[in-house]
Amino acid sequence: EVQLVQSGAEVKKSGESLKISCKGSGYSFISYWIGWVRQMPGKGLECMGIIYPGDSDTRYSPSFQGQVTISADKSISTAYLQWSSLKASDTAMYYCARVSETTVVTRGAFDIWGQGTMVTVSS
Amino acid sequence: SYELSQPPSVSVSPGQTASITCSGDKLGDKYACWYQQKPGQSPVLVIYQDSKRPSGIPERFSGSNSGNTATLTISGTQAMDEADYYCQAWGSSTVVFGGGTKLTVL
Repeated sequence: EVQLVQSGAEVKKSGESLKISCKGSGYSFISYWIGWVRQMPGKGLECMGIIYPGDSDTRYSPSFQGQVTISADKSISTAYLQWSSLKASDTAMYYCARVSETTVVTRGAFDIWGQGTMVTVSS
Repeated sequence: SYELSQPPSVSVSPGQTASITCSGDKLGDKYACWYQQKPGQSPVLVIYQDSKRPSGIPERFSGSNSGNTATLTISGTQAMDEADYYCQAWGSSTVVFGGGTKLTVL
């Protein structure tokens, strides 16, 4: 079964660092782009960026450039999203998702989603 | 940066046809896709590459994309289709989502 399994919920304080994970299984992890999507409480979906685990090519959405770091360890089929200094406004559900297209990425859609990781940051 | 606009809400009676629009500059030149999200659940892809349905998605879901507008159509809407729907396309480097439309079946 193709799936993405994310790490568990986190409760942190402002200023702390955090790294959450997304482990893929059931498919060739290195061949598909992985995206990270933020959903703030009661709000819509926002793509933070995408990474190609095969060579770690990473693209950030303008709003998130410099705010987070996306990485991947292909040896353990895992993608990561990390913060160096959390803010209360980072409180949100974070999803990882696989891009369906392996050749031309802009033809692709997010076809497989993780279960989400809830991050709560208190001030 | 590229932007997509959706109506905040759409209402439909059971058995009728629901249409949800997504607008963006020259959106018809890009591929559009659609996601369904129910409360407390991860989004689910229901339409990709403008009009294709993933395996397991009912035939009542269809899509089109032309000019500046993509449309998700749900024929014979059922109560279980009540959810938030998001359109998506690719911007210059990454994915862009519309703001989402809450579909109410009443």
